[in-house]
Amino acid sequence: DGGITQSPKYLFRKEGQNVTLSCEQNLNHDAMYWYRQDPGQGLRLIYYSQIVNDFQKGDIAEGYSVSREKKESFPLTVTSAQKNPTAFYLCASRPGLGSYEQYFGPGTRLTVT
Amino acid sequence: SQELEQSPQSLIVQEGKNLTINCTSSKTLYGLYWYKQKYGEGLIFLMMLQKGGEEKSHEKITAKLDEKKQQSSLHITASQPSHAGIYLCGADTADSWGKLQFGAGTQVVVTP
Repeated sequence: DGGITQSPKYLFRKEGQNVTLSCEQNLNHDAMYWYRQDPGQGLRLIYYSQIVNDFQKGDIAEGYSVSREKKESFPLTVTSAQKNPTAFYLCASRPGLGSYEQYFGPGTRLTVT
Repeated sequence: SQELEQSPQSLIVQEGKNLTINCTSSKTLYGLYWYKQKYGEGLIFLMMLQKGGEEKSHEKITAKLDEKKQQSSLHITASQPSHAGIYLCGADTADSWGKLQFGAGTQVVVTP
């Protein structure tokens, strides 16, 4: 079955530690995205990538980093510089630029204490 | 500032009643997308609208795009418990081509 997988579903970390969230897609999509969702605020774009080895900052990139070494993978690292990292993180992909629907993964809930 | 404004923020509807959610953009719309989300899960695609005046339906859900007003509405007829969840609109706009911007979402509760 084609789709997007995110792992793990729940992640717990101590403050000051970096943590990497996994996102894999087997849809052969060029574009991939990372969003953060907080209660009452909808989805906010962290980073996006239109093609392998290229990515751009979204609206709230500070404290996050990404890589796009393979078409199917777009991992997100939440660094210790992110002041409020506890949130629900969603990965998405899209065939390319243009009017296509985005496909979403199941999400990872990160809790930092 | 929020490019996409959704209203209402939340609503409670009795089973069998109709409901409408609105999504208004402050920028020119090139594509408008409706998604549904269960709490703590990913987003499920419902419909995509591109042309002014376009209307699409799937089962009991109908979405319309009023290009002149930069607004879209999502209408559910005879709501059922399965319609409960968070509905989000997303859009490709002139300033955000290639990266979907989303509204804050509308929480829908369906009571018996």
